[in-house]
Amino acid sequence: DAGVTQSPTHLIKTRGQQVTLRCSPKSGHDTVSWYQQALGQGPQFIFQYYEEEERQRGNFPDRFSGHQFPNYSSELNVNALLLGDSALYLCASSLAGYNEQFFGPGTRLTVL
Amino acid sequence: DQQVKQNSPSLSVQEGRISILNCDYTNSMFDYFLWYKKYPAEGPTFLISISSIKDKNEDGRFTVFLNKSAKHLSLHIVPSQPGDSAVYFCAAESGGGADGLTFGKGTHLIIQP
Repeated sequence: DAGVTQSPTHLIKTRGQQVTLRCSPKSGHDTVSWYQQALGQGPQFIFQYYEEEERQRGNFPDRFSGHQFPNYSSELNVNALLLGDSALYLCASSLAGYNEQFFGPGTRLTVL
Repeated sequence: DQQVKQNSPSLSVQEGRISILNCDYTNSMFDYFLWYKKYPAEGPTFLISISSIKDKNEDGRFTVFLNKSAKHLSLHIVPSQPGDSAVYFCAAESGGGADGLTFGKGTHLIIQP
């Protein structure tokens, strides 16, 4: 039973560029949430997708957008990258109606 | 404004003894609480959770206690093992799974032989 998978593992971009991160949820899960974890901090909620719609959003600007596909996989897009966007981006999946979220290994994004 | 606080950045415990990790929250709308464990270069791993209608939940060596009136929860690990050395995050949620999790900053637990 595959857990949550994310790609790529690492990514280096320059300021102003755009990036797309990908996530496949745990088998049987239908909800995907994205988090940003800066160094020394806990993960911060970006947004959650369910039934291909953004259901909830944290305190992140519109430069952060996402998508969920019919197979429940998801993408996180970040436009106009800033140095401060350098972080570990975590994807978590869950089953609608259940509280527990299960995390992938993350994508380490470095913005130069 | 940090809604979930873990005031101890690190904790050192001898192998075989009890580890107690603490967490405080300020948002009274939180009704579900979770603990995650994180190794370097890995995503957080779900450990144990508790609903606000309970005051204790146990799973093997791990027990979580919730004191709603004090807005405080704690994770007890007994006995502590070397593999327990990791960063532990407390998280809270409201909305029956339809909301994002709010995390604390984490406590680095070090188990000494």
